[in-house]
Amino acid sequence: QVKLLQSGAALVKPGASVKMSCKASGYTFTDYWVSWVKQSHGKSLEWIGEIYPNSGATNFNEKFKGKATLTVDKSTSTAYMELSRLTSEDSAIYYCTPDYPGIRGYFDYWGQGVMVTVSS
Amino acid sequence: DVVLTQTPSTLSATIGQSVSISCRSSQSLLDSAGNTYLYWYLQRPGQSPQLLIYLVSNLGSGVPNRFSGSGSGTDFTLKISGVEAEDLGVYYCMQATHAPLTFGSGTKLEIK
Repeated sequence: QVKLLQSGAALVKPGASVKMSCKASGYTFTDYWVSWVKQSHGKSLEWIGEIYPNSGATNFNEKFKGKATLTVDKSTSTAYMELSRLTSEDSAIYYCTPDYPGIRGYFDYWGQGVMVTVSS
Repeated sequence: DVVLTQTPSTLSATIGQSVSISCRSSQSLLDSAGNTYLYWYLQRPGQSPQLLIYLVSNLGSGVPNRFSGSGSGTDFTLKISGVEAEDLGVYYCMQATHAPLTFGSGTKLEIK
């Protein structure tokens, strides 16, 4: 079955960067856009952007341009997101989720989330 | 960006009670091809979100039929006909018609 295994929690200092992973299994990784979603503590969800593993094409929420970088490793079916110049506003849980082909926004499977804490 | 306004923000229900959650969009979610990309997700405490309803009124895989979605244009509703204990959590509407994809602020369902 479809599984998305995300990397573990991270504690990072302000101004630093963090890179997290999302390893997919149970489906053809290259056929599905992978979205990343942010959830600040106790708050709602924000769509960060998406990447198409087959080509590496990306789309971003303007708010996260310059903040997030999305990449993939097709050989290991793993998607990555790097967040740069971290501030306390970046402390949140980050989820990855593949988008069902042809039905934009159909997020049937989600990773378990990565908690990022930005603190000195 | 499209703003999705959910009401109420908190809902308290007894087991077996029927409840509704409203999601109002700042723009029509009907696209030029006639599709309306409006979804409902449930996030149970400590868990990742899960898909309940897609394209306004279609049940996600394995979702009980006590959940139903309706609406069009800018006004949408999620109804739970007979709340069960496992339904507690935060419900989010989400639109994918307009970029960027956006979520509502959530409705917390508590069980009395």
